[in-house]
Amino acid sequence: DTGVSQNPRHKITKRGQNVTFRCDPISEHNRLYWYRQTLGQGPEFLTYFQNEAQLEKSRLLSDRFSAERPKGSFSTLEIQRTEQGDSAMYLCASSLGKVSGLFFGSGTQLSVL
Amino acid sequence: KNEVEQSPQNLTAQEGEFITINCSYSVGISALHWLQQHPGGGIVSLFMLSSGKKKHGRLIATINIQEKHSSLHITASHPRDSAVYICAETSNYGGSQGNLIFGKGTKLSVKP
Repeated sequence: DTGVSQNPRHKITKRGQNVTFRCDPISEHNRLYWYRQTLGQGPEFLTYFQNEAQLEKSRLLSDRFSAERPKGSFSTLEIQRTEQGDSAMYLCASSLGKVSGLFFGSGTQLSVL
Repeated sequence: KNEVEQSPQNLTAQEGEFITINCSYSVGISALHWLQQHPGGGIVSLFMLSSGKKKHGRLIATINIQEKHSSLHITASHPRDSAVYICAETSNYGGSQGNLIFGKGTKLSVKP
């Protein structure tokens, strides 16, 4: 197992476009988390899944953001009608329930021009 | 409001020095995480603890539940320890089970 994988590593888009990021967690991990991090700040929680169920969403996650984990394995995070304020590093992490540590992917750096 | 505060924000040390990074939180937790983030974004989980002390190599993490305080210590620091160290808590605040609250991180630079 190569750990948590995120694609793409970098994404540059124009304001108003839609973007989709993918996260492949460690295969046996049932929990998957999405975070957003801007320069000089710690990550901020966006949402998490236990298997295919989305159990919690942050108020940071506006209606333009949607996340799915249809088969309880990989997850996608879509941002519609991107805004410049969406520019950030989007991090995915997975864990085996509450008791294991978090394993992070390398992130997707989004730049909205 | 649930907050995680780290200190110091920035820390410069000479190789070989003993380093301490502090983390305070405001509400009851189920677990406290220490994470390491290198330039370019990669985050590695160092420790997850809910009581006492854990040690891994030159790294030691301690937590005092009563004082709502945790420390990360690095013994015999090395330039490769240079990174941002982030404290995060998993709390039951507001019934949340999956929401990690992160500190802003401590940027450590170890000079040779």
